[in-house]
Amino acid sequence: KAGVTQTPRYLIKTRGQQVTLSCSPISGHRSVSWYQQTPGQGLQFLFEYFSETQRNKGNFPGRFSGRQFSNSRSEMNVSTLELGDSALYLCASSFRTSGSYEQYFGPGTRLTVT
Amino acid sequence: SQQGEEDPQALSIQEGENATMNCSYKTSINNLQWYRQNSGRGLVHLILIRSNEREKHSGRLRVTLDTSKKSSSLLITASRAADTASYFCATDPGSGNTGKLIFGQGTTLQVKP
Repeated sequence: KAGVTQTPRYLIKTRGQQVTLSCSPISGHRSVSWYQQTPGQGLQFLFEYFSETQRNKGNFPGRFSGRQFSNSRSEMNVSTLELGDSALYLCASSFRTSGSYEQYFGPGTRLTVT
Repeated sequence: SQQGEEDPQALSIQEGENATMNCSYKTSINNLQWYRQNSGRGLVHLILIRSNEREKHSGRLRVTLDTSKKSSSLLITASRAADTASYFCATDPGSGNTGKLIFGQGTTLQVKP
């Protein structure tokens, strides 16, 4: 099976702009989770989508939003970008096996806000 | 917020030696997972251990879980230069019904050839 893909891989935006990142999960995986990784805060959970519904949300401001389509592909959007939004954004798809979710991560999108 | 703390933050060893990394967490968990990340790239799932398991092996990896102490350890035996990476523990604080993981800060491992 093909792995998790994320586009674009690199992005440079200006403060105040908005950005949309895309994630295509592994075929058959219905859960997609998003994480933000920065040197200072580490890996932080943003939100999770399952069957087009947001199932979990982390502690991020409303500028961060997402959605999931019927084919399980997911997008996340960040509006009114701030310098502190510069980070590696990771998407993970997962399936439930024996009562637990194993997550498979994409390569990430490196966002730089100037 | 981070669920876990990892110790040590950085580890440097010679090829062939064993590497041990520890992870502590704060709340009850359904399972604990270990991931590897090479140089700012995506994370690779290594192993999952459930809350009712005490030890698990996968190749050169051995993971232990002590729920009474809320801690886990990852042992990599006979390390190789290719094991150089950051290692993260991640906990599922729920009932295993969602894809939300809480990550530790990670241990950076350098294996010298």
